Amino acid sequence: DAKTTQPPSMDCAEGRAANLPCNHSTISGNEYVYWYRQIHSQGPQYIIHGLKNNETNEMASLIITEDRKSSTLILPHATLRDTAVYYCIVRVPPYYGGATNKLIFGTGTLLAVQP
Amino acid sequence: EAEVAQSPRYKITEKSQAVAFWCDPISGHATLYWYRQILGQGPELLVQFQDESVVDDSQLPKDRFSAERLKGVDSTLKIQPAELGDSAMYLCASSYIAGGNHNEQFFGPGTRLTVL
Repeated sequence: DAKTTQPPSMDCAEGRAANLPCNHSTISGNEYVYWYRQIHSQGPQYIIHGLKNNETNEMASLIITEDRKSSTLILPHATLRDTAVYYCIVRVPPYYGGATNKLIFGTGTLLAVQP
Repeated sequence: EAEVAQSPRYKITEKSQAVAFWCDPISGHATLYWYRQILGQGPELLVQFQDESVVDDSQLPKDRFSAERLKGVDSTLKIQPAELGDSAMYLCASSYIAGGNHNEQFFGPGTRLTVL
């Protein structure tokens, strides 16, 4: 699975959009980009995933560049409850021949939403 | 909403003692994972079960760690003897099945282990 690079920390004002970048320059054609987050003292929580098209769900939007070497997770209206560590993970899903469903976490980005 | 249950939430033990953690996955989830998270780092997979079978334990320190999922439902992770470096959060997760869809993993609240 390709490695990812994320800034260690970011700040965002409450009510504003939070844009979290992720670099994955060695991503291969069948690898998906996944985002999880971990609120303090809780287990990680799935947010969103995508291959090459932009994706949106009730939690966030995922923008993947055309060359797929980087992506941005967007929280459109950040709240204090969005303060968490956000992990960007690149992997091949099992149904595409991925060895396991293992998630390889880096150190993520600590997003601090300020009131 | 169904959740992954873990107990205990906190455990303090002395080195060389034995400790055990329990996990009850979401009903119907065939795949169960144990992760270890050292402070300041992301979680690292220790062992993955598909039903009652181990499918990946490559990062499990087998000289002191063991894991079982005898009936393919709940699971126990044991450390014997515990060492100072085992102090960490131990997270359990489950997913519906290893193949098929994208396989969102659902995590429990974790067990915080402190070894003195």
